[in-house]
Amino acid sequence: DIQMTQSPSSLSASVGDRVTITCRAGLAISTYLNWYQQKPGTAPNLLIYAASSLQSGVPSRFSGSGSGTDFTLTISSLQPEDFATYYCQQAYSTPPTFGQGTKVEIK
Amino acid sequence: QVQLQESGPGLVKPSQTVSLTCTVSGDSISSGNYHWSWIRQPAGKGLEWIGRIFTSGSTDYNPSLKSRVTMSVDTSRNQFSLKLSSVAAADTAVYHCARELRQGKYYFDYWGQGTLVTVSS
Repeated sequence: DIQMTQSPSSLSASVGDRVTITCRAGLAISTYLNWYQQKPGTAPNLLIYAASSLQSGVPSRFSGSGSGTDFTLTISSLQPEDFATYYCQQAYSTPPTFGQGTKVEIK
Repeated sequence: QVQLQESGPGLVKPSQTVSLTCTVSGDSISSGNYHWSWIRQPAGKGLEWIGRIFTSGSTDYNPSLKSRVTMSVDTSRNQFSLKLSSVAAADTAVYHCARELRQGKYYFDYWGQGTLVTVSS
């Protein structure tokens, strides 16, 4: 299985802040990397696929970059509705695996 | 709008088999455009992929669970199902079903809200 490691595990930020979350794959996965947002009691919601493609309906303040083993999710200006947990997921090989999550909290 | 809805018993005794069903609306499982997956999440923890099934009935399972997992599909009811045998406390989790695109792009784009399975005597 490909191990996915996110950092940080949690962060505190204010509305309007620029937030960056990183994800590292245990081996090179090209751009087969997705990002999801999950709010308490709800299912994960796809934000970014193929490392940098914005899913339809997702605000443009979300962006993704990276290839190989290192990836980033950036929120350009944090909004109140963005406080949630974010997961990366590799789609390079079966089984698909997820990072442990990054919880974004209000500062 | 595509919707997925899980259903299942909620409480299962250790060593028993839990059976869950995912009912899909807004899309046809038999269209052949997607795979259909189960993913679980223990309380306060991360996501673990359990397995996927295609409309043909072909399956892929997570090696860590393969010996205990069986998935099936019922295209007439637009449903797919999961059976997990010999359950233990470590299997207590919210179980989500999800639609997975695997044609040029690879991601889970629609998820069910999840059903909590508690393993307890």
